[in-house]
Amino acid sequence: DIQMTQSPSSLSASVGDRVTITCRASQTITSYLNWYQQTPGKAPKLLIYVASNLQSGVPLRFSGSGSGTDFTLTISSLQPEDFATYYCQQSYSTPWTFGQGTKVEIK
Amino acid sequence: QVQLVESGGGVVQPGGSLRLSCAASGFTFTSYGMHWIRQAPGKGLEWVAFIRYDDTTKYYADSVKGRFIISRDNSKNTLFLQMNSLRAEDTAVYHCARDEKLGYFNYWGQGTLVTVSS
Repeated sequence: DIQMTQSPSSLSASVGDRVTITCRASQTITSYLNWYQQTPGKAPKLLIYVASNLQSGVPLRFSGSGSGTDFTLTISSLQPEDFATYYCQQSYSTPWTFGQGTKVEIK
Repeated sequence: QVQLVESGGGVVQPGGSLRLSCAASGFTFTSYGMHWIRQAPGKGLEWVAFIRYDDTTKYYADSVKGRFIISRDNSKNTLFLQMNSLRAEDTAVYHCARDEKLGYFNYWGQGTLVTVSS
């Protein structure tokens, strides 16, 4: 199975900050990496698919990059509604696997 | 619009069984593979099972293989998860999600809570 490791596990940031979350795969997944945002009590929401494609309706401040084993989710200017937990997920091979999550908290 | 609505969760004793349903609407159900994904309380996301659009292929996480069965009724636009030999570690919110061909999940149901406890 492909292991997905996110860092950091949590971070504190202020509104307006630039935030970067990284995700590392235990083997190459080419570009089959997806990012989700989850707020308490809600289903996850797709932000980025296939490493760098912004899902329709997602604000432009979100971007994704990377290939192979190392990937990044960047929020260019953190907004109040962005305080949430973020997950990466590989879709290169079964079983589909998720990172452990990164919780973005208010500083 | 796409809607996925899970049902069937509840409290069950260890070793018991439960059958979850996911009613799909707003899209051509017979054209999409479907997944079950779960989240234990306070924990991260764990993929559980997948079924191809035409029911020809199924995959399971090792943690549920041999105990859970994914199925679908394309005539009723409904996805199922039969859960047998339930364990405490199966306690979670179970979401159904649509497969987007490239393996990401754009549409999720709100989830149904399964609690395994004596």
